[in-house]
Amino acid sequence: KNQVEQSPQSLIILEGKNCTLQCNYTVSPFSNLRWYKQDTGRGPVSLTIMTFSENTKSNGRYTATLDADTKQSSLHITASQLSDSASYICVVSMPSGGSYIPTFGRGTSLIVHP
Amino acid sequence: DGGITQSPKYLFRKEGQNVTLSCEQNLNHDAMYWYRQDPGQGLRLIYYSQIVNDFQKGDIAEGYSVSREKKESFPLTVTSAQKNPTAFYLCASSIAGGFYNEQFFGPGTRLTVL
Repeated sequence: KNQVEQSPQSLIILEGKNCTLQCNYTVSPFSNLRWYKQDTGRGPVSLTIMTFSENTKSNGRYTATLDADTKQSSLHITASQLSDSASYICVVSMPSGGSYIPTFGRGTSLIVHP
Repeated sequence: DGGITQSPKYLFRKEGQNVTLSCEQNLNHDAMYWYRQDPGQGLRLIYYSQIVNDFQKGDIAEGYSVSREKKESFPLTVTSAQKNPTAFYLCASSIAGGFYNEQFFGPGTRLTVL
């Protein structure tokens, strides 16, 4: 069964600190892995996307890594800000019938305290 | 303003009533999707449509129905057959068949059954 597992489930950090969120997946065949940020009560917004051949991708203070051999990804947030408080969702897509079917993780809830 | 809109933001329904959630996009995307999000769970796919006048069931289609008469619109009806309809509903759109298949999400509709 294709699954995407994220850890930790929730995380509390102080403003200015760094943190790393984890994503392990069993989705196969693999097409791409995307990290989304979802603010409370809003729709998710894409942060980064990586394909099989990419092992790191940055978007400002967000850096995602991918190890396709071990099927693991991480999202590192540098110098956290209060606005980083949100749920971070890992999504792994697989090719299927000419399209790409996403499998969503449950998300990591991040709270940044002043 | 390009984007995807959902209405209403909050919706209350009495048990046993059908209700229709609106989703409109002006991104000229062929594919549209409906997801359900419950606390502590990942997004689950209800229905998706790759082209006008065609749609497929997702993982949890029972108790829901959709139509795709126009490219811009993909309304979701929550019927009285849906046993646990209280949830946050997200609509998304993407370029059909696109390799990076970034899904752009609407702001969501929170449905509460009284």
